[in-house]
Parts: sequence; C-alpha cells; structure tokens
Amino acid sequence: RKEVEQDPGPFNVPEGATVAFNCTYSNSASQSFFWYRQDCRKEPKLLMSVYSSGNEDGRFTAQLNRASQYISLLIRDSKLSDSATYLCVVNEGGSGGYQKVTFGTGTKLQVIP
Amino acid sequence: EAQVTQNPRYLITVTGKKLTVTCSQNMNHEYMSWYRQDPGLGLRQIYYSMNVEVTDKGDVPEGYKVSRKEKRNFPLILESPSPNQTSLYFCASSLYPLGGSYEQYFGPGTRLTVT
Repeated sequence: RKEVEQDPGPFNVPEGATVAFNCTYSNSASQSFFWYRQDCRKEPKLLMSVYSSGNEDGRFTAQLNRASQYISLLIRDSKLSDSATYLCVVNEGGSGGYQKVTFGTGTKLQVIP
Repeated sequence: EAQVTQNPRYLITVTGKKLTVTCSQNMNHEYMSWYRQDPGLGLRQIYYSMNVEVTDKGDVPEGYKVSRKEKRNFPLILESPSPNQTSLYFCASSLYPLGGSYEQYFGPGTRLTVT
C-alpha cells in the first residue's frame, strides 16, 4: 500500500461546479497535512494546511479524518483558474530533528467552460 | 522578493558527463531538500539538509551528491549521469520544521534529459 494515495483523475468539471478530492495515508502517527497546488510544469505551491477541526479559505475547504486516515479538499464554484494538479502532502514526523514528508502523486483537475 | 532559484532550468546532457544543478534561497531557511518528479511517482526526496554541513539521504539518493557549505546554497551533483536520471528536479526550502506547521517553498524546477 502506498504511504499516500490519491485518485490521479483527471476530474473534468464545468465552471461553477463543486468538486472534492480525497487522499488516504497509511501512517496513523502522521502529524500534519497539507494541500499543494501544481500548475503544469511549474513548481508546487502551498494551497492550505489541513487542521483537525477542518478549515476553510474562500472557496476551498479542507478536512481531516484521523479515524479513517484521509484528508479531503472541497472546491466550490470552480473557476477555470482552478485547473491544476492538487498534491496531498503528509508529514509523518520523525526523530533527531528530521521529519519525513510524503507527497501524493496528485489529482488533476480540469475546469471546463 | 522571497524565492528559491535553480539553474539551469533546462539541461540536455550525455551519459557520464558530470553536472551540477545549483539551488539558492534568500529566506534564511535552515532546511533544504532536493526532489525529483516522475510521471506516476510523484515527488520523491533525493537529499535533504537541516543546516550548514548537515545533509542526509532521502528516499532516492543513489547517483546523487549534495553539499551545504553555505546556508543559502544547496547544489545537486550528478557525478556520472545515466538515462534513468532524466527527470524534473525541484529544490525546496523551509523554516526548520518544528511542530506541525511546515511549508516548503519550491524552486521553478530543472528539467534534465540524459541521453
């Protein structure tokens, strides 16, 4: 089983739609979670951290379910500019100052006019 | 402007010809990493550094070397490149990852082709 798993997509959705992605992780001791966005052939950029209580940033909502070991990202009112690959990132913690960070392979979103 | 820079952005080389990809950050970050990204495999960590003169292997270190002589620079060295090292490479930096908050800032990427 992969440490961090995402559905690669692509998710093709019309403008204005609501879309949700899930990401599962295998290490129950994982400490922190993030969603990064990566545009085609560009560098990943932090979209949002995922907090235990869930958090929202404009049209984006992130949720964490520790019992089932998954995180989710909900995008409301999709815009063409939301088209990108969304990477799930899990910080598994560690020792000696090092913290292991694992990236999912990403879910591709294509918003269609 | 806070940023991570990498050079070169694109490189085509031949098997066995030593090369160096430079990485520099201007945010005074202690923690730096190198990743490679391949289709279907996601980002995989090659090496990381927690501070000057402190480096260690990530998940896929074979065929690579790094050094950290200054805080701002973290070059990636391929002593004898092979075609399986053809990939998209990213350098990243972050504040020392204490606690749960951890954002990495990535460079623009270096697309390497080894023939």
